[in-house]
Amino acid sequence: LAKTTQPISMDSYEGQEVNITCSHNNIATNDYITWYQQFPSQGPRFIIQGYKTKVTNEVASLFIPADRKSSTLSLPRVSLSDTAVYYCLVVTGANNLFFGTGTRLTVIP
Amino acid sequence: GAVVSQHPSWVICKSGTSVKIECRSLDFQATTMFWYRQFPKQSLMLMATSNEGSKATYEQGVEKDKFLINHASLTLSTLTVTSAHPEDSSFYICSARVIGRAVESSYNEQFFGPGTRLTVL
Repeated sequence: LAKTTQPISMDSYEGQEVNITCSHNNIATNDYITWYQQFPSQGPRFIIQGYKTKVTNEVASLFIPADRKSSTLSLPRVSLSDTAVYYCLVVTGANNLFFGTGTRLTVIP
Repeated sequence: GAVVSQHPSWVICKSGTSVKIECRSLDFQATTMFWYRQFPKQSLMLMATSNEGSKATYEQGVEKDKFLINHASLTLSTLTVTSAHPEDSSFYICSARVIGRAVESSYNEQFFGPGTRLTVL
């Protein structure tokens, strides 16, 4: 089970781009990297998933270097509503999800 | 995306009573559902995997006789906290794994319910 390490908290001003980096040194060949967002008293929400290089959707981008030992979630032009906890997970096939500590992002006006 | 609901959204009960929480997949079928527990300011902790038509698989340290899980259909799983005590007060979240659906960008996608806040007095 690949463990992930990410900063406990980050602050950002509205309108800025936020990059949250996650380390997963023991990632296996079949593992995917997945990011979830969680607001207080709500269930997590899937943001993005990738295997290598770059993935982009309407919400975020995910950058994964060639060695796949880390990944960076990029949120363009954050707003106050992006204040949440962001979890980086390494997922193997259809196996269970195990959440780490997450990164608490606070967007400041 | 797929929708998962939970009922109730919050519940307050007396110590020693049992509480049932329902998790439903509203627009898809899920052979596998998961139950998590989250204490304040902490991460989600997987409690058990609920498989339709079979016994649940519990994570280490989770008492199966205290947290009863039933997955009677492809759209419903229930978690019953038996003889609840104040230390069981927590935020309980379920998720369902999508089957039989082409999701272009995901390899393993779970959809989470909104959670149930349990307070045991």
